[in-house]
Amino acid sequence: EAGVTQFPSHSVIEKGQTVTLRCDPISGHDNLYWYRRVMGKEIKFLLHFVKESKQDESGMPNNRFLAERTGGTYSTLKVQPAELEDSGVYFCASRLTASGNTIYFGEGSWLTVV
Amino acid sequence: KNQVEQSPQSLIILEGKNCTLQCNYTVSPFSNLRWYKQDTGRGPVSLTIMTFSENTKSNGRYTATLDADTKQSSLHITASQLSDSASYICVVSGPDGNNRLAFGKGNQVVVIP
Repeated sequence: EAGVTQFPSHSVIEKGQTVTLRCDPISGHDNLYWYRRVMGKEIKFLLHFVKESKQDESGMPNNRFLAERTGGTYSTLKVQPAELEDSGVYFCASRLTASGNTIYFGEGSWLTVV
Repeated sequence: KNQVEQSPQSLIILEGKNCTLQCNYTVSPFSNLRWYKQDTGRGPVSLTIMTFSENTKSNGRYTATLDADTKQSSLHITASQLSDSASYICVVSGPDGNNRLAFGKGNQVVVIP
């Protein structure tokens, strides 16, 4: 069974540009999460989807960040326009509601804004 | 101040030796505590999950303990191997359970031959 997959694995963009990160959760996982780790800090929650609905987006830094999960399968996280402080690793994770506690993380998308 | 504090920040140990990593948290009420292993350049991988009623849980050479009264957890690595070199992250869930996690910064472990 495929794990959580993220694309791109690495991205370097200029300040002011747009980047879209994609996450494919484990098949059948209703819960999908986005997290971010900036340099020297701990991983922090961004938002949570249950199927296609945003359950909690209180961790989103500002309105330059837009997450979608159309159809309740894969999700995208768009940063527009990107700023220097957006650099970091963006992790996607998923969980099957019925199984309870285990949360599976993707490998992360490493974003560098220059 | 972060709700999850880990110590030591980093340590170097000889292959075959044991080590213990510490995690203190202030998340309350508390739902469960997890330890993740994150290899360099990879995503976190779950090692253990403990609810407030569990005191210890093992996964191979990894043993986690939990004291919900003092809000402390530890992760003990027995007979370390080179492949244990990684960051070990303590993650705590609050009353929302699994859906909003508080992460520590991690313990960076380097195992040398």
